[in-house]
Amino acid sequence: QQQVKQSPQSLIVQKGGISIINCAYENTAFDYFPWYQQFPGKGPALLIAIRPDVSEKKEGRFTISFNKSAKQFSLHIMDSQPGDSATYFCALRANFGNEKLTFGTGTRLTIIP
Amino acid sequence: NAGVTQTPKFQVLKTGQSMTLQCAQDMNHEYMSWYRQDPGMGLRLIHYSVGAGITDQGEVPNGYNVSRSTTEDFPLRLLSAAPSQTSVYFCASTSLQTSGSSDTQYFGPGTRLTVL
Repeated sequence: QQQVKQSPQSLIVQKGGISIINCAYENTAFDYFPWYQQFPGKGPALLIAIRPDVSEKKEGRFTISFNKSAKQFSLHIMDSQPGDSATYFCALRANFGNEKLTFGTGTRLTIIP
Repeated sequence: NAGVTQTPKFQVLKTGQSMTLQCAQDMNHEYMSWYRQDPGMGLRLIHYSVGAGITDQGEVPNGYNVSRSTTEDFPLRLLSAAPSQTSVYFCASTSLQTSGSSDTQYFGPGTRLTVL
């Protein structure tokens, strides 16, 4: 049973453009919503995360928008750069105190000059 | 501070062989976990541990065993490898603070396993 659906599967954006990746989840028992970035041949690394008590979090060019009622959250990358080319995973953590993460299927982002 | 380390980086096995994937962390993290990553399926949790001597199953535990005798090490054992276990395996760790939770999981560089 897939608890989180991520889209699109792949995304090509021109340098300087905005990259948007979306995730939707199926129940409300989650307390933490991180995004991980993975470069080829490397392990995932935490990029940015949000808790459900806020609707937006911004760190530099990266913003998470969170819609609790719609059970959706998205990652926005402003002024996308070639160095942002990577695979991005959204994730959910259920039940405070339980560290288990459920991951989306990933989005392969390519930034072209 | 090496973070999370995994060995080997690459491994080829024949069906039916057994092997152990090693994972170690030097951050004194209580929580450690194993994921497998397959194309189009994201990362799926195999097993996890909240401390030495305590392990539990994740989403896809069949065919894998784990043990946690020390805080630092969390090996993953494949008892009888099958082609369906061809995947990239990641170990991760995080600290459980006094509140019982933490926010950042640190991943190792992965082990790419092929089962023929």
